[in-house]
Amino acid sequence: AQSVTQLDSHVSVSEGTPVLLRCNYSSSYSPSLFWYVQHPNKGLQLLLKYTSAATLVKGINGFEAEFKKSETSFHLTKPSAHMSDAAEYFCVVSEAGNQGGKLIFGQGTELSVKP
Amino acid sequence: NAGVTQTPKFRVLKTGQSMTLLCAQDMNHEYMYWYRQDPGMGLRLIHYSVGEGTTAKGEVPDGYNVSRLKKQNFLLGLESAAPSQTSVYFCASSTPRGRTDGYTFGSGTRLTVV
Repeated sequence: AQSVTQLDSHVSVSEGTPVLLRCNYSSSYSPSLFWYVQHPNKGLQLLLKYTSAATLVKGINGFEAEFKKSETSFHLTKPSAHMSDAAEYFCVVSEAGNQGGKLIFGQGTELSVKP
Repeated sequence: NAGVTQTPKFRVLKTGQSMTLLCAQDMNHEYMYWYRQDPGMGLRLIHYSVGEGTTAKGEVPDGYNVSRLKKQNFLLGLESAAPSQTSVYFCASSTPRGRTDGYTFGSGTRLTVV
């Protein structure tokens, strides 16, 4: 069975400094991996996705993630944090199957950005 | 471009009451899903549907029922609400390529059971 673990429940950075949100996954198949962002009291928005093409994936708002099969990781990074990046971030792996390919969510990482 | 719309956005129920959450999508997606979000647990799948008239259980289906009578709508019912069902509920939809394309989510329904 597939699973995903977000290694930090909370990350705090200063504005203008790099962001690193860590995610490890387990999968018996070639997974598809996603990062979603949820701003306070809002729905979930797709940041980026990996689907077996380039291992370095670029998303919206300057975020990117690198798929490392040898480390079973899909960490999310951004060179310079902005106040508007404060939100909860979910790493997600898709479950291969005949019906729907259900998404499996990590526990979430709350990102705080200090002025 | 409404995408996925959930109603209501907020609701307070007394223990034992029933209610239905409505999800509507205008993207002609085949697949629809109901998740619940609880602190520190991410999103957990309650029920899903791969087409009109079909539904299936997810990870945490107990205490919930669903119906997909029309392709664009997916209803989540609570027959007898319990405090453990206090949560934020998200509906999502996708094409059959959801595992590679991802899902489109609604903005959520915050339910409190007292």
